[in-house]
Amino acid sequence: SQQGEEDPQALSIQEGENATMNCSYKTSINNLQWYRQNSGRGLVHLILIRSNEREKHSGRLRVTLDTSKKSSSLLITASRAADTASYFCATDTSGSARQLTFGSGTQLTVLP
Amino acid sequence: DAGITQSPRYKITETGRQVTLMCHQTWSHSYMFWYRQDLGHGLRLIYYSAAADITDKGEVPDGYVVSRSKTENFPLTLESATRSQTSVYFCASSDPSGAGGTDTQYFGPGTRLTVL
Repeated sequence: SQQGEEDPQALSIQEGENATMNCSYKTSINNLQWYRQNSGRGLVHLILIRSNEREKHSGRLRVTLDTSKKSSSLLITASRAADTASYFCATDTSGSARQLTFGSGTQLTVLP
Repeated sequence: DAGITQSPRYKITETGRQVTLMCHQTWSHSYMFWYRQDLGHGLRLIYYSAAADITDKGEVPDGYVVSRSKTENFPLTLESATRSQTSVYFCASSDPSGAGGTDTQYFGPGTRLTVL
């Protein structure tokens, strides 16, 4: 079973627009991570937010975490064609043996 | 080159054959993982290892065997391949005890396996 579920499953925007992806999870977590996967490639870590943090920034990325709602969002500002990829949230559940549970991902397409 | 590598990148085999997918990392990370990625299922954990000679099952271990005699290698063997094991397989590693102490995972490029 998947801990994290991303929404929407697919998102298509124009270059320069902002893209927002959401992730919901079921059980308490130590941290939540976002990964990017370009077509035919492995996943690449983008950003980690700990359970005691509410917002985190990294370049054009902004992640929020609401533990009361068990949800997170990833905002990519001023999107570029190179941002076209699948984005996954991954949760590190309390008591787990360093495992991450991945959602099914959001496919983002940025049109030039 | 430093990093995490997988071989082969592509493999076609037949039902019933034994197949071994290789994974090698140069960081001396303690943890290593094997996932499969299928449409509609995201990434599912097959097996993981916390250190050399320590392995444990993940969500979908049936039909797979792993070993970890050296920290840097974590091969995944399909003992008797089935069509349902057609998938893309990713190896990953992490170092929770290192600087920062997070569970960030670093992924290999994947192996696309087709079982006919």
